[in-house]
Amino acid sequence: AQSVTQLDSQVPVFEEAPVELRCNYSSSVSVYLFWYVQYPNQGLQLLLKYLSGSTLVKGINGFEAEFNKSQTSFHLRKPSVHISDTAEYFCAVSRMDSSYKLIFGSGTRLLVRP
Amino acid sequence: EAGVAQSPRYKIIEKRQSVAFWCNPISGHATLYWYQQILGQGPKLLIQFQNNGVVDDSQLPKDRFSAERLKGVDSTLKIQPAKLEDSAVYLCASSLDRGPETQYFGPGTRLLVL
Repeated sequence: AQSVTQLDSQVPVFEEAPVELRCNYSSSVSVYLFWYVQYPNQGLQLLLKYLSGSTLVKGINGFEAEFNKSQTSFHLRKPSVHISDTAEYFCAVSRMDSSYKLIFGSGTRLLVRP
Repeated sequence: EAGVAQSPRYKIIEKRQSVAFWCNPISGHATLYWYQQILGQGPKLLIQFQNNGVVDDSQLPKDRFSAERLKGVDSTLKIQPAKLEDSAVYLCASSLDRGPETQYFGPGTRLLVL
């Protein structure tokens, strides 16, 4: 079975500061990796995904994530955050087989302060 | 391009009552998903359709939940009878096909069971 751990339930940060949201996963098979963002009262939106190739993945809104197979991590980073980045961020994995079912972490709330 | 549509946006019912949610996916998307998101948790897949066939319903409480996707387009999710623990946001998502495709989420239906 697969599982995703987002250790930080909330990350407060000042505007224009860098941020890292941590994601670790567990799986007995190879997986694809995703980060989704959920703004208040909205559905989830894909930020970026890792399928194969370069371990550094760039996404929308200036976010990037790095896949580290040995540490089974897929941390999300942004060098300078804006107030508008305040939202809930979810890490997810899906199996590299016929299932492709998405398993989500519990989420990290990013709170950007002026 | 129109996104995933869901209705109603909010629903309040008493326990043991029944409720139904409706989802219209993005045009041309073959795969449709229903997720349950309990407050403070990540979304959990309830059921996945490929066209009008069920791919995965392993986490659907079949004694009270049912879902259908007639004609392979829109879908309904029903709960009968509802329990207090069914209070959650029910998210519908669609993707072009199975596989590590981007899932596009609707705004969700917030259900409160009293």
